[in-house]
Amino acid sequence: DAGVIQSPRHEVTEMGQEVTLRCKPISGHNSLFWYRQTMMRGLELLIYFNNNVPIDDSGMPEDRFSAKMPNASFSTLKIQPSEPRDSAVYFCATTSLGINTEAFFGQGTRLTVV
Amino acid sequence: GENVEQHPSTLSVQEGDSAVIKCTYSDSASNYFPWYKQELGKGPQLIIDIRSNVGEKKDQRIAVTLNKTAKHFSLHITETQPEDSAVYFCAAIAGANNLFFGTGTRLTVIP
Repeated sequence: DAGVIQSPRHEVTEMGQEVTLRCKPISGHNSLFWYRQTMMRGLELLIYFNNNVPIDDSGMPEDRFSAKMPNASFSTLKIQPSEPRDSAVYFCATTSLGINTEAFFGQGTRLTVV
Repeated sequence: GENVEQHPSTLSVQEGDSAVIKCTYSDSASNYFPWYKQELGKGPQLIIDIRSNVGEKKDQRIAVTLNKTAKHFSLHITETQPEDSAVYFCAAIAGANNLFFGTGTRLTVIP
């Protein structure tokens, strides 16, 4: 398996534009997490899905952020409209539902909003 | 929800010395405590984990200890090497696979 695949690796966009980040989980993994990483706040959990269903989105900072998981092999995180303070590295991680299983992270998407 | 605190935020050691990173958690229901290492430009990767029924676990130069009463757990790296330089995250799981991370420790091993 190629691991968790995120795209794009880097994204530079202008303030106000819509941004869509994509994640392909490891085949067979049925839990998916979106994290945001900044120097100031470290790794923040934004939202996670179990079996494609959003379980906890309390970490989503504002209504400008939305996430979907239409099927077991694909998830998106959308920011609309984007703002400079959204600049961060966004990670997707996946794991198998169960007791105490390892989470595998993608390489991340570095988002810069200018 | 769970609250994981991690200290120190930065740590510099001489090559060959030991490094210790400490974490505390708030939810007594947490029962799984993984440690992740993040190298520059990469996502975090699991390096060791410990479950609540165990007090200590060792894997070569890396060891983790858990004190459930005090809600503390620690990462110990002995005989540090330059390639150990990275950001280390502790985490705790409470509930259905919801990983709560500490804020990270940037470890620098000075040759």
